[in-house]
Amino acid sequence: GAVVSQHPSRVICKSGTSVKIECRSLDFQATTMFWYRQFPKQSLMLMATSNEGSKATYEQGVEKDKFLINHASLTLSTLTVTSAHPEDSSFYICSKDSNTEAFFGQGTRLTVV
Amino acid sequence: QQQVKQSPQSLIVQKGGISIINCAYENTAFDYFPWYQQFPGKGPALLIAIRPDVSEKKEGRFTISFNKSAKQFSLHIMDSQPGDSATYFCAARLNSGYALNFGKGTSLLVTP
Repeated sequence: GAVVSQHPSRVICKSGTSVKIECRSLDFQATTMFWYRQFPKQSLMLMATSNEGSKATYEQGVEKDKFLINHASLTLSTLTVTSAHPEDSSFYICSKDSNTEAFFGQGTRLTVV
Repeated sequence: QQQVKQSPQSLIVQKGGISIINCAYENTAFDYFPWYQQFPGKGPALLIAIRPDVSEKKEGRFTISFNKSAKQFSLHIMDSQPGDSATYFCAARLNSGYALNFGKGTSLLVTP
């Protein structure tokens, strides 16, 4: 069964609005979770590392004020896309690690119109 | 900079054939090498993974071959089926707690 639950699976929003994506760890606590972005027919690119109780670590070129990450509990990390624009339309995926493998959420298809 | 290089970009195989996808990496500190299968609109699903202390791992129709000295690893799908048609990603990472570095992906089409 799924160990990472991501919601929503699909969202359409108007340009300029904000969208929150949730990523829940269902089995064990996750002090660290990862957020990836995937454009059509491309690979997964790491956006940021979410750390419980502290600030997220963002990859180069990812705007931390635009992609707000909150990891307030050991089972929940959220990604908020603020002031969304059409170029933010993408597939967003979260993941967490165990000692043996990485588990991925189902992904969120964001479309900004 | 792409830390994991994957080829081919696309692959067409007849049903029953062997699909082979190759990956190469640079960082010798990588400790975990998984392969993921992804269907359109879905998150990646782990197929099989290997650590650098073994040269081969087999699970059902899927085999990873790992060449530490060449810094290469490959996925073999035996008896390929139309249901295997998907995008496959290789990846590599350091220890647990580090993010995965993905290859660019291979679009596999298995024809009936």
